[in-house]
Order: sequence, then C-alpha cells, then structure tokens
Amino acid sequence: EPEVTQTPSHQVTQMGQEVILRCVPISNHLYFYWYRQILGQKVEFLVSFYNNEISEKSEIFDDQFSVERPDGSNFTLKIRSTKLEDSAMYFCASSELLDPQYFGPGTRLLVL
Amino acid sequence: QQQVKQSPQSLIVQKGGISIINCAYENTAFDYFPWYQQFPGKGPALLIAIRPDVSEKKEGRFTISFNKSAKQFSLHIMDSQPGDSATYFCAASLLRGDKLIFGTGTRLQVFP
Repeated sequence: EPEVTQTPSHQVTQMGQEVILRCVPISNHLYFYWYRQILGQKVEFLVSFYNNEISEKSEIFDDQFSVERPDGSNFTLKIRSTKLEDSAMYFCASSELLDPQYFGPGTRLLVL
Repeated sequence: QQQVKQSPQSLIVQKGGISIINCAYENTAFDYFPWYQQFPGKGPALLIAIRPDVSEKKEGRFTISFNKSAKQFSLHIMDSQPGDSATYFCAASLLRGDKLIFGTGTRLQVFP
C-alpha cells in the first residue's frame, strides 16, 4: 500500500539554526499539507500546497516557515531560524482531489 | 468557530466493552468529519469518516454517529480490544481534502 514517508525521523538543532524537513507524498497525490503536534497536544494545520503554490496557511505559519516542492517527488518544510517553541512532531500529509488525507510517520524536531 | 471539541480526554475500557468518544463543532459549513487513530510515535491514520448527509456509518467494529442538528458526532468502538489502545482524534473540514481541524484527542486504554 502506498504511504507517505518523511525524513529524518528525529532532528535535534540549536535555536536559531535552519532546518529542512522532507516528505515524499503518495505518488499520484496532488495536494500536500504540513501539520504539527506539540507533545501531548492536538494536531494543528500549518499549510496546504497545490499546483506549486500555497493554498492556505495558518497563523502559525509565519515568515520563518516556507514550503517547496523542489522536484516531482519531494515536499519540504523549511524553518529558517528555529525557536524553542518550534519543538514538535511535524507531519506531512497528502491527498488526491477531494480525498482523505494520508499522514506520514512524522519528524520529531527538538530545538535546544 | 473553527474549533472541534472532543471528550473525554482519556478513557479506560475493559476488553469486549464499548468505547464512546464524542465531538462537537460550531461551524455548520463543515462537510467532512473523519476520525484518526494514532499510536505512540506514529502519524495519525484515517479510521473512518462521515459526511453530514448520513446519520451513521459503520465499518467493522467502528461506527460514527452523526447528529447534524446538535452539531455533534461520535465514534463507537464495539468489542474493544487491547490493540485498540491508542489516541483517537476527531476532525472536521469544509471539504474532503481541505485542511483538517482536529479535536484535542482521546487516549483510549483497553485492558484485558
């Protein structure tokens, strides 16, 4: 069964450093999403992406965040200057048009 | 108005019992209501979903009951098993494929 994959599974970084989280969505999916989950809390929407542009973003997704689809398979989330409060589990999801979203296993980001 | 409220926060059920998790929403424009199951260290996995044009949907031991007038929906897990022990999130979106607004999650523990 096709699945969303994410790398790395864990990332530890120093405050102020840039991180790039990578995702490979399911191959025929056209819609891509990033969500985050702070430990013990609910899953929160960050951004959706379709046709090489952002469809919608939440108030969490400020100027420190960016997304990119650098090639036909990868979808990345970049945090330019990480803060302590960026520590969370980051999930990538993908879907076909008007179809359910399928989530990857997540990247656990720890900012020290 | 974008919130989805979920209860209880945690639930302990004996093996073979019925687990019931409830969610309520405010935005009447929501049109798609999925439930996700999440095991520790994993991404949310779609369990079952419903549209507001039906009042109930059943898939195996899992049933969603939907009350459009009360703006409430619930997940019933019949014959609960220890393998069902996980965190369950309800969610809502304007369209299937649109950003998901998640509830706060219910940690279910099923004891043998």
